[in-house]
Amino acid sequence: SQTIHQWPATLVQPVGSPLSLECTVEGTSNPNLYWYRQAAGRGLQLLFYSVGIGQISSEVPQNLSASRPQDRQFILSSKKLLLSDSGFYLCAWAGRLAGGTWETQYFGPGTRLLVL
Amino acid sequence: RKEVEQDPGPFNVPEGATVAFNCTYSNSASQSFFWYRQDCRKEPKLLMSVYSSGNEDGRFTAQLNRASQYISLLIRDSKLSDSATYLCVVNMRTGNQFYFGTGTSLTVIP
Repeated sequence: SQTIHQWPATLVQPVGSPLSLECTVEGTSNPNLYWYRQAAGRGLQLLFYSVGIGQISSEVPQNLSASRPQDRQFILSSKKLLLSDSGFYLCAWAGRLAGGTWETQYFGPGTRLLVL
Repeated sequence: RKEVEQDPGPFNVPEGATVAFNCTYSNSASQSFFWYRQDCRKEPKLLMSVYSSGNEDGRFTAQLNRASQYISLLIRDSKLSDSATYLCVVNMRTGNQFYFGTGTSLTVIP
């Protein structure tokens, strides 16, 4: 069965510090991978998605970046955090079904980031 | 216009009540539909997929109305443990993206 891991679970960082969040998936190959952010009491905001190694699509221009160095590894980074980067960061994966439709997304446990 | 819209609620219902949520989507090319449940401070988890003919899973029934472009979720005999935020999700056949509603908050009261 497939599992998705994220770490760390919680992070408190000062403004201006760098960020690196990691997500790994097990039990599937060539998944689509996604990074979302959820601000307190708000909906999910898609930040990045990736259809393969080294392929990153950015949805929202901001001071974050993403990389996919391996098939089942997705990393979210920032060189300098802003207060507005605080939120709940969720990684998700989706696989393609026969016929071209997409299997639904499965989320990791998330990283709660507080920037002070 | 948002791809997916939901009434944010909150819905406060007594135990045993029946409650229904609706969700509308804007793109008629949408092909896959889902309901997720998100507990406070947790990740969203798949509750059920929504099929064209409608489908049921225990106390939960999902319906799709393509003509009017909405999906619905009906919860019968509400339990305290049903308290959560319910997210509807839409995906297009050729698309890599999943479009999430902002969620509908449900609180089941003893």
